[in-house]
Amino acid sequence: GQQLNQSPQSMFIQEGEDVSMNCTSSSIFNTWLWYKQDPGEGPVLLIALYKAGELTSNGRLTAQFGITRKDSFLNISASIPSDVGIYFCAGQLSKAGTALIFGKGTTLSVSS
Amino acid sequence: SQTIHQWPATLVQPVGSPLSLECTVEGTSNPNLYWYRQAAGRGLQLLFYSVGIGQISSEVPQNLSASRPQDRQFILSSKKLLLSDSGFYLCAWSEVQRGPQHFGDGTRLSIL
Repeated sequence: GQQLNQSPQSMFIQEGEDVSMNCTSSSIFNTWLWYKQDPGEGPVLLIALYKAGELTSNGRLTAQFGITRKDSFLNISASIPSDVGIYFCAGQLSKAGTALIFGKGTTLSVSS
Repeated sequence: SQTIHQWPATLVQPVGSPLSLECTVEGTSNPNLYWYRQAAGRGLQLLFYSVGIGQISSEVPQNLSASRPQDRQFILSSKKLLLSDSGFYLCAWSEVQRGPQHFGDGTRLSIL
């Protein structure tokens, strides 16, 4: 089946540092989404990207839809303790009617 | 605004017992509805999705089933639970098939 390769699997950073994570696929995606999941809760949508090359920000978060439509990255600037959680990328294939395909997540730990 | 509710939040069931998890969405009509399972420390696996009342698509063969008796109600069921059914079950909705999905808070299911 279709797969998304999300990296890194985990990150341990100091408060104030910038963070970067990415997802790649061998397939072309029509939509890229980034979610954050706190322990014991459902994922919350952070950023949605719909066009190749699109760069979108949400506060300290910035995500880009790769030009090839096969990748996306998420950057977090000046990390704070509440950024801790699991970040998931999700992509939707260009074929109509397909559901989302999720990466396996990046676990972020921030020490103060 | 739209909201999604899942219950129960946690459930402990013996092997071989039946299961019924419920999900309802408010504030929107004819949503697309999804059931996911998330094993500990892993990504999300799509189980079922529905584009309308009585319309269910299964992504993974298993001993679970889904039903959509009303427009904004999605139910996940099993006649006999297995140990391998343990996990975190998430319901999600989207306005259109290719729109971003929004998740409920999940049900933590433990099978003993």
